[in-house]
Amino acid sequence: QVQLQESGPGLVKPSETLSLTCTVSGASITDYFWSWIRQPPGKQLEWVGYIYYNVRVKYNPSLESRVTLSVDTAKNQFSLNLRSVTAADTAVYYCLRLGVPTSDRYVDDYWGRGTLVTVSS
Amino acid sequence: EIVMTQSPATLSVSPGERATLSCRASQSVSSYLAWYQQKPGQAPRLLLYHTSTRATGVPPRFSSSGSETEFTLTISSLQSEDFAVYYCQQYNIWPRTFGQGTKVEIK
Repeated sequence: QVQLQESGPGLVKPSETLSLTCTVSGASITDYFWSWIRQPPGKQLEWVGYIYYNVRVKYNPSLESRVTLSVDTAKNQFSLNLRSVTAADTAVYYCLRLGVPTSDRYVDDYWGRGTLVTVSS
Repeated sequence: EIVMTQSPATLSVSPGERATLSCRASQSVSSYLAWYQQKPGQAPRLLLYHTSTRATGVPPRFSSSGSETEFTLTISSLQSEDFAVYYCQQYNIWPRTFGQGTKVEIK
């Protein structure tokens, strides 16, 4: 059974770096695309980016200057780093697997439960 | 980026009735349209993708149609577990974008 679990600080100070890790069980991190989506409180969902095995990575242009995704194959984890955060980065952050092929794209099949990160001094 | 607009914002429906939700894209997304259900405190759940393909385990009362810029999600007979927020998402052009959601509430 595939499971994803987000971990990281729940509180980050403005201008610092938000760092989250998603630990994957039941699937190999090298076999799929992996992604992060965030949802500010009461607002709509926003894609942060996706990554495949440190070979292919794509970021939302609105975040591209501040975000880095990476994969740790030894730990079967993938990570998100978001630099220079502001209150606007306060959100529930979800990690997910893009495991369902549809034509020439992939859609998600497994999500983590999400973790709330608050940016505040 | 492609802007997804959902209507109505809130839909009040009695159990057993039919619910129809709309999603409009600011430019063509072909058939690369997905629908999600989200309940309070939970991650979104994929319901349908490629416009009309149901995800694993999704009951047949959920269906979708449309193409290019206009899409519709239909829930044929609402069950108690269907009251939630529904989002559409285009995955034709990066960045993938979601609509603002339609809340389906009990009438």
